[in-house]
Amino acid sequence: EVQLVESGGGLVQPGGSLRLSCAASGFTFSSYSMNWVRQAPGKGLEWVSYISSSSSTIYYADSVKGRFTISRDNAKNSLYLQMNSLRDEDTAVYYCARSQQWLADFDYWGQGTLVTVSS
Amino acid sequence: NFMLTQPHSVSESPGKTVTISCTRSSGSIASNYVQWYQQRPGSSPTTVIYEDNQRPSGVPDRFSGSIDSSSNSASLTISGLKTEDEADYYCQSYDSSNRGVFGGGTKLTVL
Repeated sequence: EVQLVESGGGLVQPGGSLRLSCAASGFTFSSYSMNWVRQAPGKGLEWVSYISSSSSTIYYADSVKGRFTISRDNAKNSLYLQMNSLRDEDTAVYYCARSQQWLADFDYWGQGTLVTVSS
Repeated sequence: NFMLTQPHSVSESPGKTVTISCTRSSGSIASNYVQWYQQRPGSSPTTVIYEDNQRPSGVPDRFSGSIDSSSNSASLTISGLKTEDEADYYCQSYDSSNRGVFGGGTKLTVL
């Protein structure tokens, strides 16, 4: 059974940093691309970032480019999102989501981890 | 960059058919595949349609997807509505600048 479990969310002050993790199991992690998608409270979905299976291709939404860094460790079956210079508008539930490749659908999602940016 | 515009909400009775639209603001809707996700309250999204009109295994054939180049839009149609279909539905595609794009979401009420 495919499982994606996010962790690392919490309360952080504006300008602060946080590192999210996503632990994958039930599939060959190194064969799949991964994404981060977020959802602000009561709002819609927003794609955040993409990383290919070998980490050779990385994309970011304009809203986080230069502040967030996506990475993965295939030996540990883990995906990460380093978030720096956090703003109020980054407050959201952050989901990790699997995809076969770029341009494909997000076929499995984690349960999400809540990041709250507030003073 | 383009936007995907969905109606904020739709409602229909059980057993009926409902169609949710997703209109692309610029560029061709056929440029990249469109996906549809269902998100029930308190749950993570799941795919109901991928690559414009493909259903993942386990998704009932009551769900169907299509694109219409004349209106530059994609549509999700749910027939034989059930109360369990009540959820938020999001369309999603990709732009040529390597960004994922979601529609704003449509709240489906089955009353």
